[in-house]
Amino acid sequence: EAAVTQSPRNKVAVTGGKVTLSCNQTNNHNNMYWYRQDTGHGLRLIHYSYGAGSTEKGDIPDGYKASRPSQENFSLILELATPSQTSVYFCASGDQGQGYTEVFFGKGTRLTVV
Amino acid sequence: GDSVTQTEGLVTVTEGLPVMLNCTYQTAYSDVAFFWYVQYLNEAPKLLLRSSTDNKRTEHQGFHATLHKSSSSFHLQKSSVQLSDSALYYCALGGNNRIFFGDGTQLVVKP
Repeated sequence: EAAVTQSPRNKVAVTGGKVTLSCNQTNNHNNMYWYRQDTGHGLRLIHYSYGAGSTEKGDIPDGYKASRPSQENFSLILELATPSQTSVYFCASGDQGQGYTEVFFGKGTRLTVV
Repeated sequence: GDSVTQTEGLVTVTEGLPVMLNCTYQTAYSDVAFFWYVQYLNEAPKLLLRSSTDNKRTEHQGFHATLHKSSSSFHLQKSSVQLSDSALYYCALGGNNRIFFGDGTQLVVKP
C-alpha cells in the first residue's frame, strides 16, 4: 500500500511566523498534492506537483508556497502564518495510471495559528 | 470546469436501514475514474471504491456504486448500515493528473 508520511503531525505557530509542513512518499509517484480540510469545505487543493522541481497552483494558493526538491519530498510553506490558516492539512501522492488519477493520503497535520 | 457535487452535508440513518449518498459530476475529460473515499474520525481519507466503467456495479465492504454517465452520477449505497459506517464520505473524480473532491457527506448511524 502507498506510504505517505507527514511531519509534524501537530503544530502550533505564532501569527506572522513561518511554518513549513513536510511530506515524504515512498511510492515513486510523480504527482503530489497539498489539501486543507475545514468543516463545511471538504478537501481543498492548495498546491500540487507533477515531479521534482515543479509546483502548480491549486484552487486556494494564496498565502502558501510549495517546494518539490525531489521525487519523494513535497513541502508546504506558510511565510507569514495567519489564524485563518488554522486547519488540518493533508498531503497526497498519486499517478496518472490506467487513464485516471488516484491519490493516497498521509495522516494529516493539524496546524493551529495563534 | 470539472466539479463534483454532493448535495447532502449530513445524513443520519438508523442502524440496519439502507442508505444512499448522492454524487453528481461535471467533467470535460474522457479518461476519468470515479471514487468514493471514506474518512473516519481523526484519520486520513482512504479509498473505498473506484470505477471507470459505465453502468457497472462496483462493491467493497458492503457498499456499492454504479457509474451512470447518462445522468453524470455515481451514488454510494448500502443495504444495511452499521454503527461503524459512521464517517465522512467524499465523492471524487480523477483525470489529467488532477483529482476533484466533493464537499463530503457526513454519515451518522444511530442505534
